[in-house]
Amino acid sequence: AQSVTQLDSHVSVSEGTPVLLRCNYSSSYSPSLFWYVQHPNKGLQLLLKYTSAATLVKGINGFEAEFKKSETSFHLTKPSAHMSDAAEYFCVVSRSDGNEKLTFGTGTRLTIIP
Amino acid sequence: NAGVTQTPKFQVLKTGQSMTLQCAQDMNHNSMYWYRQDPGMGLRLIYYSASEGTTDKGEVPNGYNVSRLNKREFSLRLESAAPSQTSVYFCASSEYGGQTDTQYFGPGTRLTVL
Repeated sequence: AQSVTQLDSHVSVSEGTPVLLRCNYSSSYSPSLFWYVQHPNKGLQLLLKYTSAATLVKGINGFEAEFKKSETSFHLTKPSAHMSDAAEYFCVVSRSDGNEKLTFGTGTRLTIIP
Repeated sequence: NAGVTQTPKFQVLKTGQSMTLQCAQDMNHNSMYWYRQDPGMGLRLIYYSASEGTTDKGEVPNGYNVSRLNKREFSLRLESAAPSQTSVYFCASSEYGGQTDTQYFGPGTRLTVL
């Protein structure tokens, strides 16, 4: 079985300060991992994905994430928050055994303080 | 290039009524998905279609049926709506449905069942 735990349901940071959204995963197989972002009343958009190549993955809008197998973590970071980053972020795991279903975390709501 | 489109955007039903949610994609993708999103639970897969002519149950299929009408369109039907089906429904598509494939999401349908 696979699962994803997003350790914070809500994160608030000031504009211009670093962002850290934490995600731990559990998978019996070599996983692929994704971060999706959902702005209010919108669909989900891919930020970045890890597919067993480089462990440090760069995504859109200055976000990046590091896959750490020893810690079973895939935390999302950004050096400097912008007001437009306010949204809900989902960490997602996909199996590697031909079963392509995604398992979503419960989401982290990011608030940016002006 | 509209991506993934969904209709309607909003719907209010009474218990026992039926309705069909429509989804279409113009990216020539083989795989399509229906999810529901409930507060604090992330997204859960209802049904998916790996390719035209095939459909399979996801995590929460009870009370729903689907039809893969052609390569572009994938509809979700509620035969007898229940208040527990109040949710936001998202359609998604991906090129091949593989483990590393990116899923592209529509804007969602917000359904309330009274």
